[in-house]
Amino acid sequence: DGGITQSPKYLFRKEGQNVTLSCEQNLNHDAMYWYRQDPGQGLRLIYYSQIVNDFQKGDIAEGYSVSREKKESFPLTVTSAQKNPTAFYLCASSTQGQGGTEAFFGQGTRLTVV
Amino acid sequence: EDQVTQSPEALRLQEGESSSLNCSYTVSGLRGLFWYRQDPGKGPEFLFTLYSAGEEKEKERLKATLTKKESFLHITAPKPEDSATYLCAVQEGTGNQFYFGTGTSLTVIP
Repeated sequence: DGGITQSPKYLFRKEGQNVTLSCEQNLNHDAMYWYRQDPGQGLRLIYYSQIVNDFQKGDIAEGYSVSREKKESFPLTVTSAQKNPTAFYLCASSTQGQGGTEAFFGQGTRLTVV
Repeated sequence: EDQVTQSPEALRLQEGESSSLNCSYTVSGLRGLFWYRQDPGKGPEFLFTLYSAGEEKEKERLKATLTKKESFLHITAPKPEDSATYLCAVQEGTGNQFYFGTGTSLTVIP
């Protein structure tokens, strides 16, 4: 089955800790994205990557870091510098082309600071 | 400035009561407009892509249409299982970023 797998589904972080959220896709997509979703605010872009070993900051990159060492994988680290990390995190991937190309999403990771 | 605005924020319908959700956008050089359905605690599920004004797509009770400034998601004779949040997103110009609206929360009452 082709798709995007995010893990874990639930994650708890203590104050001052870094945590890493996993995102793996087997759709052979070049582009991958990380979004944060808060109630009433829609999806906000954290980072995106169009090719291996390259990524760009989105609208709310502060306090987050990513890597793209493999086409299939795009992990997100939430660092201690992110002051309000409690949110629902969504990873997505898409092909790239001349026309618009839809993104497909994983099932999300809910991060809670305890 | 918001590039994608969805209305209404919330909509309650009786089962069988048809209605429409609106997505207006201000991007130039639209590459694609996308509709998604999102259930609570889940990732968005892709529904439709629209590329140019006048285009329409249908799937079961849902029909999406596109003009130069907005898109509508028409829901015909909805059922309780259609209850979800419906998200609209656009891609513009030559970039690969997606710009999302804040969604419409639809509740269909039996």
